[in-house]
Amino acid sequence: DGGITQSPKYLFRKEGQNVTLSCEQNLNHDAMYWYRQDPGQGLRLIYYSQIVNDFQKGDIAEGYSVSREKKESFPLTVTSAQKNPTAFYLCASSILPGPYEQYFGPGTRLTVT
Amino acid sequence: AQSVTQLDSQVPVFEEAPVELRCNYSSSVSVYLFWYVQYPNQGLQLLLKYLSGSTLVKGINGFEAEFNKSQTSFHLRKPSVHISDTAEYFCAVRSNTGNQFYFGTGTSLTVIP
Repeated sequence: DGGITQSPKYLFRKEGQNVTLSCEQNLNHDAMYWYRQDPGQGLRLIYYSQIVNDFQKGDIAEGYSVSREKKESFPLTVTSAQKNPTAFYLCASSILPGPYEQYFGPGTRLTVT
Repeated sequence: AQSVTQLDSQVPVFEEAPVELRCNYSSSVSVYLFWYVQYPNQGLQLLLKYLSGSTLVKGINGFEAEFNKSQTSFHLRKPSVHISDTAEYFCAVRSNTGNQFYFGTGTSLTVIP
């Protein structure tokens, strides 16, 4: 089945540690996105990528980094510079260009203590 | 740029009653419109989308939405809700020239037995 996988489902880290969230898609989509979700705030865009080896900052990129070395993979690193990293993280992908929707992964819940 | 406003953060409704979840958007260009549903600790799933043509669009699980260009609205409706419809609902917009999606802050629908 085609889709987006995110691993792990739950992730626990100590404050001050960097952590990398995995996102893989086998839909052959050009664009991939990372969102952060906090209660009552909807989805906020962290980074997105339209092509391999290129990505753009979203609204809340500070404290995060990404890479896009392969079309199907878009890992997100939450660095120790992120002030409040505990959140639900969603990865998505979409066909470009045109009238297409986003497909979402199941999400990773990150807890930093 | 585009923006999306979901006017109700929480909507309680009795089982088998009708429901309307409101969504208004702002954009200076033509847009594509989407409604997504999110169950607890899961990713988002597409309910329906408006790309062009008929302003009334039907989606999964008995939901439908009507695009109103003059009022810049895209309200979601269901004539009779079930307990299983309890979830978070997000309205989203994408311009016909851009690759970013803009989400509302979500509406939490609670179906009361």
